[in-house]
Amino acid sequence: QVQLKESGPGLMQPSETLSLTCTVSGFSLTSNGVGWVRQPLGKGLVWMGTIWAGGSTNYNSAVQSRLSISRDTSKSQVFLKMNSLQPEDTGTYYCARHGDSYAHPYWYFDFWGPGTMVTVSS
Amino acid sequence: DIQMTQTPSSMPASLGERVTISCRASQGISNYLNWYQQKPDGTIKPLIYYTSNLQSGVPSRFSGSGSGTDYSLTISSLEPEDFAMYYCQQYDSSPNTFGAGTKLELK
Repeated sequence: QVQLKESGPGLMQPSETLSLTCTVSGFSLTSNGVGWVRQPLGKGLVWMGTIWAGGSTNYNSAVQSRLSISRDTSKSQVFLKMNSLQPEDTGTYYCARHGDSYAHPYWYFDFWGPGTMVTVSS
Repeated sequence: DIQMTQTPSSMPASLGERVTISCRASQGISNYLNWYQQKPDGTIKPLIYYTSNLQSGVPSRFSGSGSGTDYSLTISSLEPEDFAMYYCQQYDSSPNTFGAGTKLELK
């Protein structure tokens, strides 16, 4: 079955670079896009960016200058890197699978990982 | 960016009650609207896509409707597992954006 799982360091210092990994199973990264969505503490969901099945990327302009998303299809992994971390980057980070446009629209997240908490604090 | 306003922000309700959560977009979004459920442990489950299409496996007591700028999620008869946060998401224009959420609480 389709699964996604995020991993990464729980605690970061301001100005550091965050590296997260999303490991997927049950589907191919060349068939579906994978997006990153974060949730600041006690707040709502914010889409950060996506790597599509063909390998192209889209980023939210709010974080575009600091964000990079890449993948290793052989390992079924998607990577998020975000530099210049600030305390306001604290929150839970989710990776989620995009629909494939046949069963579901591209911009529908039809499977989600459990999320990983990131705290930015000195 | 399109702003999505969800109302109410929290809603006390009873088992068996029919509830409706609203989501209003700052401009028309042509039915490009999805709904998700988030449980207290953080688990996010997709519910409805393109306004009214039910995700496979989601109970039929959930339904979605709307057009233009106004959309809604209705639960016809609340079950214990339905008490959670609900988020709408528009994908008419980039960036796709989510509402701030509605917390469905047991009265």
